[in-house]
Amino acid sequence: DAGVIQSPRHEVTEMGQEVTLRCKPISGHNSLFWYRQTMMRGLELLIYFNNNVPIDDSGMPEDRFSAKMPNASFSTLKIQPSEPRDSAVYFCASSGGQVHTDTQYFGPGTRLTVL
Amino acid sequence: QQQVKQSPQSLIVQKGGISIINCAYENTAFDYFPWYQQFPGKGPALLIAIRPDVSEKKEGRFTISFNKSAKQFSLHIMDSQPGDSATYFCAATFQGAQKLVFGQGTRLTINP
Repeated sequence: DAGVIQSPRHEVTEMGQEVTLRCKPISGHNSLFWYRQTMMRGLELLIYFNNNVPIDDSGMPEDRFSAKMPNASFSTLKIQPSEPRDSAVYFCASSGGQVHTDTQYFGPGTRLTVL
Repeated sequence: QQQVKQSPQSLIVQKGGISIINCAYENTAFDYFPWYQQFPGKGPALLIAIRPDVSEKKEGRFTISFNKSAKQFSLHIMDSQPGDSATYFCAATFQGAQKLVFGQGTRLTINP
């Protein structure tokens, strides 16, 4: 099993640019999560999907952030326009069910740097 | 009330010693408490988890102790090894929501 796949692994961009992060969940998993990790705020959930439908987006910082899941095998997290405070490691995770005790499997993350 | 407080921020233990990381929560609706292990450059990975109907869960050298009345739980790593050096996160969630609330993390270093 390839695990959760994220791309790119590293992204450096300038303030004001659009950034798109991509995630391929584990095949057969029907829940997908986007997390952000920073030194100041730790690991925080941004949004999660069940069967491609957004369930809880209360962690999305502001309107500059948007996430989509057009099908069961692909999701994107977009930041437009990007700001230096968006610099963080963004993780995608997936789980095989929709029960809160189902294990969430994390991808390797995308390290975003906004100059 | 959604917070999970974790301590210490960093911990250094000699090889063969016991590593102890503590977490506390306020929300009594939390009913599932996983611990995640994260190596540099990698995503977190589930290590062990517990539900509050038991006071202890052991898997190999890793043990979770749970004190429901105090709303505290801790991770114990017995016979700590250099390969255990990583950042450890406690987390909590509750039925009806898949949202994991993470502690701030503990950077554990095991000296050989």
